[in-house]
Amino acid sequence: QVTLKESGPVLVKPTETLTLTCTVSGFSLSDAGFGVSWIRQPPGKALEWLAHIFSNDEKSYATSLKTRLSISKDTSRSQVVLIMTNMDHVDTATYFCARKPGEGYNDHYFDSWGQGTRVTVSS
Amino acid sequence: SYELTQPPSVSVSPGQTARITCSGDKLGDKLTSWYQQRPGQSPVLVIYQDMKRPSGIPERFSGSNFGSTATLTISETQALDEADYYCQTWDRDTEVFGGGTKLTVL
Repeated sequence: QVTLKESGPVLVKPTETLTLTCTVSGFSLSDAGFGVSWIRQPPGKALEWLAHIFSNDEKSYATSLKTRLSISKDTSRSQVVLIMTNMDHVDTATYFCARKPGEGYNDHYFDSWGQGTRVTVSS
Repeated sequence: SYELTQPPSVSVSPGQTARITCSGDKLGDKLTSWYQQRPGQSPVLVIYQDMKRPSGIPERFSGSNFGSTATLTISETQALDEADYYCQTWDRDTEVFGGGTKLTVL
């Protein structure tokens, strides 16, 4: 059974750096084809894709947030980490990690999602 | 940047067919996925590669994608189908989500 679980702080202050961890099970981050994305959802608003890390450690980022984001993984711990710098009130959201089941042109979808972790940015 | 447009809301009577659209430039040339999100829950994949259903998703859910519009069709709509639905595609190394459609089953 594939599971993903997000963890991180509930509250961060403006200008601080957010670090979120996604712990996966049921598959390996080193298995060819599996990648993990971070996606967020502000309260009452739509989903927004943030970043993705491929099985070969290649990374991609949302253009508008690229300068603030960093994604990495620790395969031995089955964890994917997202770092977002210079947090602002508009970054208040539920942050999800989700798995892509492949890395080909046909595989741009997310077949498993974590439960999400809610982050509030407030002083 | 690439954009996907969905109607904010769609209403349907129980037992009827609901159709939710997703529009984007030459979207038919891309592959589209659909997600169902009930209140307070994580999104669930209901359609991928335009028209495929993951295991466990009822046959009532179907998808199509042609021209500039992808459509999620839910036949014999039930109360439990009431949720937000998001379309998603990929453009230039970026995953893109639509703005979401709230499906109300009246």
